Amino acid sequence: AQSVTQLGSHVSVSEGALVLLRCNYSSSVPPYLFWYVQYPNQGLQLLLKYTTGATLVKGINGFEAEFKKSETSFHLTKPSAHMSDAAEYFCAVSRGGTSYGKLTFGQGTILTVHP
Amino acid sequence: DTGVSQNPRHKITKRGQNVTFRCDPISEHNRLYWYRQTLGQGPEFLTYFQNEAQLEKSRLLSDRFSAERPKGSFSTLEIQRTEQGDSAMYLCASSSDRGSNQPQHFGDGTRLSIL
Repeated sequence: AQSVTQLGSHVSVSEGALVLLRCNYSSSVPPYLFWYVQYPNQGLQLLLKYTTGATLVKGINGFEAEFKKSETSFHLTKPSAHMSDAAEYFCAVSRGGTSYGKLTFGQGTILTVHP
Repeated sequence: DTGVSQNPRHKITKRGQNVTFRCDPISEHNRLYWYRQTLGQGPEFLTYFQNEAQLEKSRLLSDRFSAERPKGSFSTLEIQRTEQGDSAMYLCASSSDRGSNQPQHFGDGTRLSIL
């Protein structure tokens, strides 16, 4: 079975400050990992994904995440927050190497950006 | 690429009524997924289609729920005899079957409210 834990249901930062959203996963097989963003009353948009290869993954809108197998973590960062980053962020895991990718999501982290 | 389309966006109904939602995936995507998202939670997997075949169903999908994808294109999710606990956002996603774990593209969801 797979699971995802997102530490902190709410994170608040000032505009221009570092954004750090934490994600830890549990998986009995090598995982594929994803970060999605959700704006109010909308679906989820893929920010970035890790499958294999380079452990530092760059995504859209200046976000990046690093896969750390020893820590079972996949934290999301952005050097400088923008007001438009305010949204809810979800970390998700799927079984690596399977023929399709059923996603297991964390509970989400709401990011608030203050002027 | 017109994206994943879901209709209706909102559905309000009385307890005990039947409801049906529709999902039109990205045209070249063979894989289609349904998820349910309740307030303050991450999406939870409901079911998965490869073309017209329903290959996996979650235990969350009770006997009152049925999903179809008759021609391998659009899909419908029907809930019979709705209950208060069915109030949620129902999300549809699709992905390509070229390679494993292709990223899923989500629609904006159907928000169901049971009175």
